[in-house]
Amino acid sequence: AQRVTQPEKLLSVFKGAPVELKCNYSYSGSPELFWYVQYSRQRLQLLLRHISRESIKGFTADLNKGETSFHLKKPFAQEEDSAMYYCALSLMNTGFQKLVFGTGTRLLVSP
Amino acid sequence: NAGVTQTPKFQVLKTGQSMTLQCAQDMNHNSMYWYRQDPGMGLRLIYYSASEGTTDKGEVPNGYNVSRLNKREFSLRLESAAPSQTSVYFCASREGYEQYFGPGTRLTVT
Repeated sequence: AQRVTQPEKLLSVFKGAPVELKCNYSYSGSPELFWYVQYSRQRLQLLLRHISRESIKGFTADLNKGETSFHLKKPFAQEEDSAMYYCALSLMNTGFQKLVFGTGTRLLVSP
Repeated sequence: NAGVTQTPKFQVLKTGQSMTLQCAQDMNHNSMYWYRQDPGMGLRLIYYSASEGTTDKGEVPNGYNVSRLNKREFSLRLESAAPSQTSVYFCASREGYEQYFGPGTRLTVT
């Protein structure tokens, strides 16, 4: 069955420290993975997509098929990074996308 | 361009009452979704609509019905609310690989 696992409910770091939010997936096909973020009082929004391989707001995520992981990383955390982060696996069926979300990790960056 | 809008923002229901959550998008997207968000469980798909006139069950459809009224609007109905339906409900629409989310409706069933 398709599944996304985010083992940490809460990750608390100090400003300037490196951050790694873990995501592991279970999927028999070729995975397409995303990170979505929800800042306080804002809507859930796309942060990045593994295929684009770009850095958004200093965050990067590399798909590791061998370890079935898609961890989100940032070398120096900022207070404005505090938010809820969701890893999501895209399932495509006859061209229609469904997302399977992980349970989310709350990142708290303290000054 | 309002994106995805949802009404109401908050609602309190008694067990057994019914209500409809409204969702509309002004981005001309074909695909629309309803999710519920519960602590420790992430977002789970309730129903989705690939296009106007079609709807399908997601992961947790029991206790809900949906209507894709037209391309813009996708409503979620609770016919007989139960405390287990206390949650935050999100509507989303999709273009390409990206889903766009509404602000959510916080529903409490007592």
